[in-house]
Amino acid sequence: KAGVTQTPRYLIKTRGQQVTLSCSPISGHRSVSWYQQTPGQGLQFLFEYFSETQRNKGNFPGRFSGRQFSNSRSEMNVSTLELGDSALYLCASSLNGVNYGYTFGSGTRLTVV
Amino acid sequence: ELKVEQNPLFLSMQEGKNYTIYCNYSTTSDRLYWYRQDPGKSLESLFVLLSNGAVKQEGRLMASLDTKARLSTLHITAAVHDLSATYFCAVERGFGNEKLTFGTGTRLTIIP
Repeated sequence: KAGVTQTPRYLIKTRGQQVTLSCSPISGHRSVSWYQQTPGQGLQFLFEYFSETQRNKGNFPGRFSGRQFSNSRSEMNVSTLELGDSALYLCASSLNGVNYGYTFGSGTRLTVV
Repeated sequence: ELKVEQNPLFLSMQEGKNYTIYCNYSTTSDRLYWYRQDPGKSLESLFVLLSNGAVKQEGRLMASLDTKARLSTLHITAAVHDLSATYFCAVERGFGNEKLTFGTGTRLTIIP
């Protein structure tokens, strides 16, 4: 079966711009969560969506936002990009407790210059 | 606040040797996960540990969980070069929480 699909794989943006990343979960998975990975801070939870509702949010500024559509696909948006937003952004999908475990996508590598 | 610590951060070992990676967490948790990450790649799920005393094995890797000590271990037996990667443990609390708190990761290098 198809895995978790993230697009685009790579992005280069300029400070001050905004960016939108996309994540399509495994078919049937209704939960999508997002993580930021940087060398300095490691893997940090951004937020999680289930049935188009944000259920959980990490400690990130309001510039980071997301949404989920009725087909469970999710997008995250970062506005007013800063150099420190350069990171690998990973999304994970799960069945929400029915089948323990998270499947991660290949990630989007964002570079802010 | 839940904190997850791994040690060592870096591990260089020779092929054929055994070693253990440790994962400590600060508060009661419900599930513990181990992931592998190759450079520039995503996270590959290795094990999910659900209860005290749980032990799972896959090939040369074995993971165990002691919820009373709040400790999980990932044991590598007779290491081979293909096991070189960064290994993360992650802890989840509650049901339907859908939030993982990750450890710092252990970068493992197997020397031929």
